[in-house]
Amino acid sequence: NAGVTQTPKFQVLKTGQSMTLQCAQDMNHNSMYWYRQDPGMGLRLIYYSASEGTTDKGEVPNGYNVSRLNKREFSLRLESAAPSQTSVYFCASQTGNQPQHFGDGTRLSIL
Amino acid sequence: GQQLNQSPQSMFIQEGEDVSMNCTSSSIFNTWLWYKQDPGEGPVLLIALYKAGELTSNGRLTAQFGITRKDSFLNISASIPSDVGIYFCAGSFNNNDMRFGAGTRLTVKP
Repeated sequence: NAGVTQTPKFQVLKTGQSMTLQCAQDMNHNSMYWYRQDPGMGLRLIYYSASEGTTDKGEVPNGYNVSRLNKREFSLRLESAAPSQTSVYFCASQTGNQPQHFGDGTRLSIL
Repeated sequence: GQQLNQSPQSMFIQEGEDVSMNCTSSSIFNTWLWYKQDPGEGPVLLIALYKAGELTSNGRLTAQFGITRKDSFLNISASIPSDVGIYFCAGSFNNNDMRFGAGTRLTVKP
């Protein structure tokens, strides 16, 4: 099925470990986004990529890095995980003025 | 940053009842969106609004883009058990700066 695919679906890390969350879309969308979702809060934008080769900070970028590997793939990296980064992470993609389409999320726990 | 206030936080209703939820913002938006999220899944778009005053329906769902561009509401008529979930409003001034409300958790009792 067409859409946004995120891997892994679940992950547990120890404080200080590093990890890369993967996201791929097959809708030929230009823009891709990474959000985090915490209890009682709306989604908050971490980083986005308006087009292949460009990335920009969102609302809460500290502690994260991203790579727009090609038009399809946009990865999120935690270099040294902290308990405050325990969250559900969503990737989304979009083209033109159309609404964003979301993946099913990665549930990340940091002990 | 821009703040979105979504209310109510939660609703417990009987099957067949109508539901209304809304979002207000301290800033104006060019686009208002309403998403639904089921457990373990990502948000799914319900309705998109692109013009102040716009009223749009999608089956039993109706949403409006407020005239001031600072608010939007979503109505669900004749609720059914599968309407259960978390509903999020989202507003954006440009494509790359979308802000979300904290969500309305809807429970429908059969």
